[in-house]
Amino acid sequence: DVKVTQSSRYLVKRTGEKVFLECVQDMDHENMFWYRQDPGLGLRLIYFSYDVKMKEKGDIPEGYSVSREKKERFSLILESASTNQTSMYLCASSLEYIPGDTEAFFGQGTRLTVV
Amino acid sequence: TQLLEQSPQFLSIQEGENLTVYCNSSSVFSSLQWYRQEPGEGPVLLVTVVTGGEVKKLKRLTFQFGDARKDSSLHITAAQPGDTGLYLCAGGARAGGTSYGKLTFGQGTILTVHP
Repeated sequence: DVKVTQSSRYLVKRTGEKVFLECVQDMDHENMFWYRQDPGLGLRLIYFSYDVKMKEKGDIPEGYSVSREKKERFSLILESASTNQTSMYLCASSLEYIPGDTEAFFGQGTRLTVV
Repeated sequence: TQLLEQSPQFLSIQEGENLTVYCNSSSVFSSLQWYRQEPGEGPVLLVTVVTGGEVKKLKRLTFQFGDARKDSSLHITAAQPGDTGLYLCAGGARAGGTSYGKLTFGQGTILTVHP
């Protein structure tokens, strides 16, 4: 059974704190992604990584950074949390069978509240 | 600007009714996927359509990819309460773009089926 595991289901942090969201996959996938999900906006891509130590900005990277030191682990970092980063964060991984045709496997999500 | 426009945003129907969800774009996608997400969980893939004009059936669900690969629809026949959830369309690799498994998501359709 394939699995993407996010370290926390719920997090409450204070404004200005540095926040780490961790994601681990056990499928040996090259690609890993961080999305945030907000009502009415669907999923928006923050950052993705297609290989160890490789990272690319997505559509909304401002205020975030990422780290991928090992193939199975992809971390999202909020350098200085702000209230507008309160959201559901979803990690995903995929193996690209055919360019442009790939299934993404998602973690259960982390609901982050910044107060 | 949302690249994939999904409609309607909300659907509330009675058990046994039929429904259609639409996903439209001005861009050409190499593939179109539909995901279903239940509360507290990450999205799970239902189907991928790759060829323009393609139709796929999954029991009571019928998925169609437009001839020009810019739009897709999801039709549910005789909806059941178990169909309740958030439905998301996602486009893979726009024409001329690089992939790495990146997906562009629509805003989502929240479907509620009442017994």
